[in-house]
Amino acid sequence: NAGVTQTPKFQVLKTGQSMTLQCAQDMNHEYMSWYRQDPGMGLRLIHYSVGAGITDQGEVPNGYNVSRSTTEDFPLRLLSAAPSQTSVYFCASSYGDNEQFFGPGTRLTVL
Amino acid sequence: DQQVKQNSPSLSVQEGRISILNCDYTNSMFDYFLWYKKYPAEGPTFLISISSIKDKNEDGRFTVFLNKSAKHLSLHIVPSQPGDSAVYFCAASGGGSNYKLTFGKGTLLTVNP
Repeated sequence: NAGVTQTPKFQVLKTGQSMTLQCAQDMNHEYMSWYRQDPGMGLRLIHYSVGAGITDQGEVPNGYNVSRSTTEDFPLRLLSAAPSQTSVYFCASSYGDNEQFFGPGTRLTVL
Repeated sequence: DQQVKQNSPSLSVQEGRISILNCDYTNSMFDYFLWYKKYPAEGPTFLISISSIKDKNEDGRFTVFLNKSAKHLSLHIVPSQPGDSAVYFCAASGGGSNYKLTFGKGTLLTVNP
């Protein structure tokens, strides 16, 4: 199993550009989440999904969109990037009440 | 308002000694607590968890203690090894939504040979 994979590993955007961060898992996990980590901060939940077709907002959802059309994939879309979205983004998945497995992260810089 | 607090940004211990990492929480709805370990440029990896119905959980060198009345948990690593050097995050969830984690800011543990 590849576990949780994220692409790209690094990305530089200009303010106002849009992009999609990809996340995929091959463990047939029902739950998937996106977190961001900023310097000196813990991980903060952006959006999450409890299954295909079901998504909901986390602690810091503004500026981000998600969709979940399949069990495996959970992309995170930035519609109009802002410098405040410079961060490291982690995708995670889990099954039931078990611990979450995290991907390696995407480091995003918005100029 | 920070619901999960790790008040020590860093901790340094000697190899072979005990490492104790602390975490406090404010939300009474939290009933499941986890510790994650994170190396630079990698995603967090699960270390150990504890449910609120227990006060201790042990896995090899790692033990987590939960004091519900004080809303406090701690992670003990015995004996500490240089490979344990990493950032440790405390996380909590509750209300049956264990997929929604609230994290502390993390503690950087350095184990010196």
